[in-house]
Amino acid sequence: EAGVAQSPRYKIIEKRQSVAFWCNPISGHATLYWYQQILGQGPKLLIQFQNNGVVDDSQLPKDRFSAERLKGVDSTLKIQPAKLEDSAVYLCASSSPRGNTGELFFGEGSRLTVL
Amino acid sequence: QKEVEQNSGPLSVPEGAIASLNCTYSDRGSQSFFWYRQYSGKSPELIMSIYSNGDKEDGRFTAQLNKASQYVSLLIRDSQPSDSATYLCAVLFHNAGNMLTFGGGTRLMVKP
Repeated sequence: EAGVAQSPRYKIIEKRQSVAFWCNPISGHATLYWYQQILGQGPKLLIQFQNNGVVDDSQLPKDRFSAERLKGVDSTLKIQPAKLEDSAVYLCASSSPRGNTGELFFGEGSRLTVL
Repeated sequence: QKEVEQNSGPLSVPEGAIASLNCTYSDRGSQSFFWYRQYSGKSPELIMSIYSNGDKEDGRFTAQLNKASQYVSLLIRDSQPSDSATYLCAVLFHNAGNMLTFGGGTRLMVKP
């Protein structure tokens, strides 16, 4: 069974530029998450989708971050404009068709460096 | 604000010893608790889940839950150098849209 796919693995940009990350979850997984993990900290939930609807985006900085999950499968997270403090690993995860059981499968992550 | 607290460590134990990792959480209504392991430069992977008070054993790992004290722990018996990683405690807050919240993690170092 293929795991969660993410791209790009690494991205370096200047502050105020924009960046987009892509995620394809495990086939059949209805729930998709984007987490931000700053070095030395635990993952912080940015947004949670159930199929193509948003379940929770209370910690998403909506003035600069946006995310969508068209057709309920793959998802894109965008940052525009980026700030220095956005330097982090962006982790995409998915969970089973039963919804959010807390048993998440993570992709390899997309490491963003903002200069 | 739903919170999950862990000591950041590092926790250093000799090979073959028992490593004890602890976690506290803020919401008495939480029902589901998880331990994820994260190797340096890698993504988190689920190693244990626990849903009811008491102990749950899986090989060398034992998860312990005390809901009255809002406390969950992970014991690793016969620690191996390959257990060296960051251990993340995660709590599913059911009355907050089923949001899985992670603690900051405890870094474990097992010395040969």
